[in-house]
Amino acid sequence: DTAVSQTPKYLVTQMGNDKSIKCEQNLGHDTMYWYKQDSKKFLKIMFSYNNKELIINETVPNRFSPKSPDKAHLNLHINSLELGDSAVYFCASSQEGLRAYNSPLHFGNGTRLTVT
Amino acid sequence: GIQVEQSPPDLILQEGANSTLRCNFSDSVNNLQWFHQNPWGQLINLFYIPSGTKQNGRLSATTVATERYSLLYISSSQTTDSGVYFCAVEARTGGGADGLTFGKGTHLIIQP
Repeated sequence: DTAVSQTPKYLVTQMGNDKSIKCEQNLGHDTMYWYKQDSKKFLKIMFSYNNKELIINETVPNRFSPKSPDKAHLNLHINSLELGDSAVYFCASSQEGLRAYNSPLHFGNGTRLTVT
Repeated sequence: GIQVEQSPPDLILQEGANSTLRCNFSDSVNNLQWFHQNPWGQLINLFYIPSGTKQNGRLSATTVATERYSLLYISSSQTTDSGVYFCAVEARTGGGADGLTFGKGTHLIIQP
C-alpha cells in the first residue's frame, strides 16, 4: 500500500558512472518532485513535474535529468557522478502542485547515494 | 527567495515533557507544512497548516500568517517523537508547482 515508492534504497557507485533512481506514486497526484538532502539534513528541491511537464528546475547541474514516462512516475537520471553528489534523494508528490486546498506533500523513503 | 528559520536547532527532553517548536518565514505564504523525519530517515507529513490551528493527538500546530510564524506543540513526549522536525513553506508569490522551501529543522531527542 506504499503511496510513494522509490528504488533502490541504497546506491553505491564510483565516480564517473551513470545511475538512475526510480519513483512511483499511487495517490493519483498530478505533481511529482525530487528533493536532495545533504549531510547536514538540509532539504532542497531539485525538480518538479506537473502532467509530464517540467515546472521548475533549480540550479542543479545538467548531469541530473528527470524523466517522467507518465503521471505516476518520475525517475532521476544522473550522469558522470561526482563525489559531491553523495546525498539522500527523496521523491515526493502532491495534488495540483500544492495549490489545492489541503494538499500535503507525500515523500518516498529516500535513496541514499554514495559516490566513491 | 523566501527564508525559513526554525528554532531551537536542537532540543533534548525527558519523556513526558512538553515542547514548542517555532518556524519563522520571511514572506506571505500559500502553503505551510510540518514534517517529522524519524531516525530511519522517513519523512512524515504532520500538518498542512497555512493558517489557523490543528490538532492530531498529542501534536498540535498554529500558524499566524499575518505575523509570519508557525508553532508546533508536542505534549507528553515519547521516545518515538525523536527525530528532526521540519517546517516547509511555499511563498504566495510562487508559481503553482514551485515545491516547498524547507527550514533547517529542529533536532529533537526524547530521553527515557
